[in-house]
Amino acid sequence: AQKITQTQPGMFVQEKEAVTLDCTYDTSDPSYGLFWYKQPSSGEMIFLIYQGSYDQQNATEGRYSLNFQKARKSANLVISASQLGDSAMYFCAMREGAPGKLIFGQGTELSVKP
Amino acid sequence: DVKVTQSSRYLVKRTGEKVFLECVQDMDHENMFWYRQDPGLGLRLIYFSYDVKMKEKGDIPEGYSVSREKKERFSLILESASTNQTSMYLCASSSHDRGRGEKLFFGSGTQLSVL
Repeated sequence: AQKITQTQPGMFVQEKEAVTLDCTYDTSDPSYGLFWYKQPSSGEMIFLIYQGSYDQQNATEGRYSLNFQKARKSANLVISASQLGDSAMYFCAMREGAPGKLIFGQGTELSVKP
Repeated sequence: DVKVTQSSRYLVKRTGEKVFLECVQDMDHENMFWYRQDPGLGLRLIYFSYDVKMKEKGDIPEGYSVSREKKERFSLILESASTNQTSMYLCASSSHDRGRGEKLFFGSGTQLSVL
């Protein structure tokens, strides 16, 4: 069974608009962490945001926020005011149990239109 | 700037060759990881290590081995390369210390083609 599911293979958004990238996860472990990474065409993986399972507040990092809905097991990434440089592949990941060992989703390719 | 460095950005090898992918980090991290990335499959964990001389199998270890003789260096070895090992290989490191954050730091990747 998929542990991390990203149902949107590709998305388009107009520059300066907000966009939500979906991620659902599956775990029975009460302690886990959720991550979002960005991978531009250069190939490097860039850390964006982290949410711990016990964190009470949704994580925010600049224009990025994580909409964490624990009961629904979803961890959607919201990018506000999209920029052309946001065009990239985005991966949702979960750390379950072992430190640093992440399980990744299939990725969503975001294209920002001018 | 903290860094995870992978020795080659592109590599072309022949079927049956022994292939070494090298990864070095300068952050004094305890944990190191090797992932492969394939379109539509995301990243999948091959092997990881929490300490020198220590290794653990990830989700897809078949056909691979690893070596960690020094804390900063983690090598991925393809004993006899096959065409289905053509992929992007990503090395990553992280700290044990939760206070330093749990995030992985990635190298730029090695695109391996096995012909």
